[in-house]
Amino acid sequence: ILNVEQSPQSLHVQEGDSTNFTCSFPSSNFYALHWYRWETAKSPEALFVMTLNGDEKKKGRISATLNTKEGYSYLYIKGSQPEDSATYLCASYSGTYKYIFGTGTRLKVLA
Amino acid sequence: NAGVTQTPKFQVLKTGQSMTLQCAQDMNHNSMYWYRQDPGMGLRLIYYSASEGTTDKGEVPNGYNVSRLNKREFSLRLESAAPSQTSVYFCASRTVYEQYFGPGTRLTVT
Repeated sequence: ILNVEQSPQSLHVQEGDSTNFTCSFPSSNFYALHWYRWETAKSPEALFVMTLNGDEKKKGRISATLNTKEGYSYLYIKGSQPEDSATYLCASYSGTYKYIFGTGTRLKVLA
Repeated sequence: NAGVTQTPKFQVLKTGQSMTLQCAQDMNHNSMYWYRQDPGMGLRLIYYSASEGTTDKGEVPNGYNVSRLNKREFSLRLESAAPSQTSVYFCASRTVYEQYFGPGTRLTVT
């Protein structure tokens, strides 16, 4: 994988459902994987920075895992709420000042 | 503490006009970035500045120039705007691990 790929592109879930999405990134020259939450008409806000294989991070109902050997990260949202509706971006950082962003997963939580 | 600020928020240009997008950060970060965001595409890096006095091209630098005026400020200049430069432009600054984004400038070139 040369680019950062996210799936699915978009999804709708019902309030209370749990959901997860995937970020695939180049496993060579890996330094860090970033997750951002991006609400419409706002700027991306950092959720997690992950560096170590097997890393797990958690913030409230949102958590993320990292597999650097196979080049993927999962983001989980437990008990989705309407305020979780946003685009979730991931970005791979190789330690050379440059980030490669995925195109994001657009989540819509229906009340 | 304002974080990363960008001006203007919105701008409409005619083809061939020039303008400068301003970005400033008050977090004493060394590295600063300019991205563009287009529908269906991720954030694409235009230019970055690893530290005061240095700038480097990113993925899509054609048609743009930058100036790292001092540690706080990093400006992006369009010398002769083209419709293909219609986009939302984000500035960011970076600590060792995290990037902090400005609110964006929505630019339309007609």
